[in-house]
Formats: sequence, C-alpha cells, structure tokens
Amino acid sequence: GQSLEQPSEVTAVEGAIVQINCTYQTSGFYGLSWYQQHDGGAPTFLSYNALDGLEETGRFSSFLSRSDSYGYLLLQELQMKDSASYFCARLSYGQNFVFGPGTRLSVLP
Amino acid sequence: SQTIHQWPATLVQPVGSPLSLECTVEGTSNPNLYWYRQAAGRGLQLLFYSVGIGQISSEVPQNLSASRPQDRQFILSSKKLLLSDSGFYLCAWSPQTGPGYTFGSGTRLTVV
Repeated sequence: GQSLEQPSEVTAVEGAIVQINCTYQTSGFYGLSWYQQHDGGAPTFLSYNALDGLEETGRFSSFLSRSDSYGYLLLQELQMKDSASYFCARLSYGQNFVFGPGTRLSVLP
Repeated sequence: SQTIHQWPATLVQPVGSPLSLECTVEGTSNPNLYWYRQAAGRGLQLLFYSVGIGQISSEVPQNLSASRPQDRQFILSSKKLLLSDSGFYLCAWSPQTGPGYTFGSGTRLTVV
C-alpha cells in the first residue's frame, strides 16, 4: 500500500514553531513532498526530500528519515497567513505522487 | 516561465448533464498532466494522468473520462454527471523528471 498518515489538525500561536509529521509505507519509496493549500485555493509546492536530512527554505524546513519511514514539515516564526492545510505526498518508483489526508494548521493571535 | 490555466472556476450543473473541464499549460513541452479531485476538507484523489498525447491512465473507476488532444491540453469529461461528482477539481503538471507538481487554480463543481 501507499497510505500516508498525518495529524488532522494542529493549532499554534503566532511566532511559535510547529512541526507537522508524516509517516508513510516504505514499499518502493522514492521521495516525500510537502504542499500548502489555503481555503478555496490550489495546493502549492513547498519542498521535496529524497535523501535523509533537513532541507531549509526560509521559515519552512522539511525533514526525512528513510529508515524510520517518517518526515516532517517545520514552520518557524508562525504568521497568521500560515493558517492552511498542509499535505505530505509520497513518490514511489515508477508511480505518481500519492497525497496524505492533510493537516489543518490554525495559527492563533 | 511556465503557467497552467484551468477553467471555469466554478460550475453548477444538474444531474445527468455533461461536463467538460479544460486545462492548458504554457511555457513547457511534453509535461506530465494530472486531474485530481478533492472533496470538501479532504485530501487529493488522483483521477487521471497522462505522460503524452493520447496517453491516459485512469486511477479510479468512475463515470469520468479524460483526453489529451494536444501536448499541453488536458480535458476532463463526463457524459452524465452524478451528485457524487461534486467536488474541487484540480489540474496539475510536472516535468518528465522533477519532484513537484504545479496545480491550476481549480474548478469547484456542484452537481444539483
């Protein structure tokens, strides 16, 4: 199977740091992507990890541990505009990305 | 730069009516093209993907179909809509080799 698991909701306050976890099934795993989707909008690509470790892009970072079949998206210095749904997506050899169920992040003032 | 266009933005259709959603990509050649559906508050379900003109793969059996008449054009169709076809339809493209998708702005379809 190719199912992914992520928390359904996360709440944090402005200026805080939040981590959104994603676990996946290992069969044929190639890489993990993260997308952000605001209400009513389309998903936008944030990051991609194919190797273990941390990839940093401004306030957002993404981490992958292939041995643990686990990744996370780290959002620092949270802003109100970061309130959105975040999806991890798994890429398998010879196949397309499969998206997780999404995590809804609410940033409170 | 590459851009993706999807239309219409919203659509209200009666049950049993036909459907045609169009997606075009500019600024790239031979893209992989995708149609996704998203139910309210849910994840993205892959419906169809295409790696070239006339090449369509279906992920989920349903009363929808897809066609790729030109390299950068992807069309989602139905002969007779069902209530369960309501949702947010998203077209996306990716290069032949590359880690991310670029999504269109989506079509919110309501079948009444």
